Amino acid sequence: AQSVTQLGSHVSVSEGALVLLRCNYSSSVPPYLFWYVQYPNQGLQLLLKYTSAATLVKGINGFEAEFKKSETSFHLTKPSAHMSDAAEYFCAVGGDDKIIFGKGTRLHILP
Amino acid sequence: EADIYQTPRYLVIGTGKKITLECSQTMGHDKMYWYQQDPGMELHLIHYSYGVNSTEKGDLSSESTVSRIRTEHFPLTLESARPSHTSQYLCASTASRSGGYTFGSGTRLTVV
Repeated sequence: AQSVTQLGSHVSVSEGALVLLRCNYSSSVPPYLFWYVQYPNQGLQLLLKYTSAATLVKGINGFEAEFKKSETSFHLTKPSAHMSDAAEYFCAVGGDDKIIFGKGTRLHILP
Repeated sequence: EADIYQTPRYLVIGTGKKITLECSQTMGHDKMYWYQQDPGMELHLIHYSYGVNSTEKGDLSSESTVSRIRTEHFPLTLESARPSHTSQYLCASTASRSGGYTFGSGTRLTVV
């Protein structure tokens, strides 16, 4: 079975500061891992995905995530936050037949 | 450029009305999904389909029904809307679990 845990339902960072959103997963098979972003009144947009190639995955809007098998983690980072990064972020793991989503982390950007 | 389309984007209807939320995709994906999401909250899977004439209930009990008579079309129907159905409904599709889901823009439903 697969599961995802996102640490922190709300994260606040100052504009220009490092963004770190934490995600830990559990999977009985080699995992496919994803990060999605959701802006208000929108659907989810794929930021990046890990599919067993490089462990450091680069995505859109300057985000990247590192797959660490020993820590069962897939944390999302961005070196310098921008006001436009304020949104809801979902980590997800590809299950046997469905993708399992975490509960989401709301990212707040402080001016 | 969206490859999965949901209509309407916003809908306000009265209690007891029958409604159908539309979802269509142009990618030829076999797998399609419906999620219910309250504002700022987690996603709840309510229905999914692995192909034509295949439909399954998801993890969250829902009074809605779905059909899949064409690959590209996966509508969701509420026979008698209630205020408790007020929520955002998201449709998604995928070709495989390694590719991730493509989501529509959602339908925000308000039942008064």
